[in-house]
Amino acid sequence: DSGVTQTPKHLITATGQRVTLRCSPRSGDLSVYWYQQSLDQGLQFLIQYYNGEERAKGNILERFSAQQFPDLHSELNLSSLELGDSALYFCASSPNSAGGQETQYFGPGTRLLVL
Amino acid sequence: GENVEQHPSTLSVQEGDSAVIKCTYSDSASNYFPWYKQELGKRPQLIIDIRSNVGEKKDQRIAVTLNKTAKHFSLHITETQPEDSAVYFCAASMADKLIFGTGTRLQVFP
Repeated sequence: DSGVTQTPKHLITATGQRVTLRCSPRSGDLSVYWYQQSLDQGLQFLIQYYNGEERAKGNILERFSAQQFPDLHSELNLSSLELGDSALYFCASSPNSAGGQETQYFGPGTRLLVL
Repeated sequence: GENVEQHPSTLSVQEGDSAVIKCTYSDSASNYFPWYKQELGKRPQLIIDIRSNVGEKKDQRIAVTLNKTAKHFSLHITETQPEDSAVYFCAASMADKLIFGTGTRLQVFP
């Protein structure tokens, strides 16, 4: 167990809908990262938050947004969902803001299925 | 651009044999290279990492080597066991991000 938690574990929804994925980082970690993993694909970096502020951005679609709250948990909002958004969404956390320079610990993921 | 190439995409070995997975990165400023193991339906878990001031690092049956000049790094697993079967991802630091390779599916046959 990495100490990173994600809810829900599974999510099934329809095209055009909006969903919110939630992540709580390890105790003491200030950075949260979101990744998308499509079937048999690698991990695509979406966005990083550090202590409430956006720190780095990857290939995140405009239909997707995220935020990090004062208690450091983070939410990823996916709207106007399309079939191609079906994927595993992972959250990871690390102690500081050093993005690519420090170990990231992954949560168990949320499996999203868009029908 | 920001790119990490990983080979092979699949690897099958007999139990007890060695397995080698290779990655190449594009950014000469990259200085942190972790390897993650992902079992089916599970989260990626860090198995070993190396920083650019070190050429090799070993942890029991797992070792990683880094060639900064050629911009490539490799994962070596010796005396493979069936429980080593998983997808392995390499990653390289690029600016504020970790860029991941596309993964290697390792199958170890008893």
